[in-house]
Amino acid sequence: GAVVSQHPSWVICKSGTSVKIECRSLDFQATTMFWYRQFPKQSLMLMATSNEGSKATYEQGVEKDKFLINHASLTLSTLTVTSAHPEDSSFYICSARFDRAFQETQYFGPGTRLLVL
Amino acid sequence: GQNIDQPTEMTATEGAIVQINCTYQTSGFNGLFWYQQHAGEAPTFLSYNVLDGLEEKGRFSSFLSRSKGYSYLLLKELQMKDSASYLCAVDYNQAGTALIFGKGTTLSVSS
Repeated sequence: GAVVSQHPSWVICKSGTSVKIECRSLDFQATTMFWYRQFPKQSLMLMATSNEGSKATYEQGVEKDKFLINHASLTLSTLTVTSAHPEDSSFYICSARFDRAFQETQYFGPGTRLLVL
Repeated sequence: GQNIDQPTEMTATEGAIVQINCTYQTSGFNGLFWYQQHAGEAPTFLSYNVLDGLEEKGRFSSFLSRSKGYSYLLLKELQMKDSASYLCAVDYNQAGTALIFGKGTTLSVSS
């Protein structure tokens, strides 16, 4: 079954509004979660690394004031797209890393499709 | 930069075997993941290689050569449902860091 969940799966919003996306690790604690963005027919691009209890680390070119990340607990990280614009429309995917049977694994959430009108 | 190269597209027929190659820079290498991604869906985990050699999981196998900076994903007994994008992702440096993804290989399986 799924080990990482995301909510919502679909969001349609008006330009200028803010959208919050939740990412939860199920049945395990994830000290580190990652947020990716994927545009159509392109690969995943890392946006930021989210660490529990500390500030997120953003990749170059990703505006930290626009994409607010909060990792308040070991099982929950949130991404808030503030003042969304049509160019922010994309597929947002979170992932979490953990050790299972001495093998490190990274699982992805099902993704959130954002459409800004 | 940390370039990860894999072919853009591949085609194959049902029942066949296909090998998807991936090359990467070796500096700071920690391990390599393979993911499958169907259109409109998030990636699903296939394999994670840390040591050299072949790891087999049913119809899918993954090979790694750390010294050569090379990996491949082998898909046997292809089925139509295997039509998807296959992403090679490298884990650099240390645990807790994000993966660097290749651009993905779109595999089309025909009958």
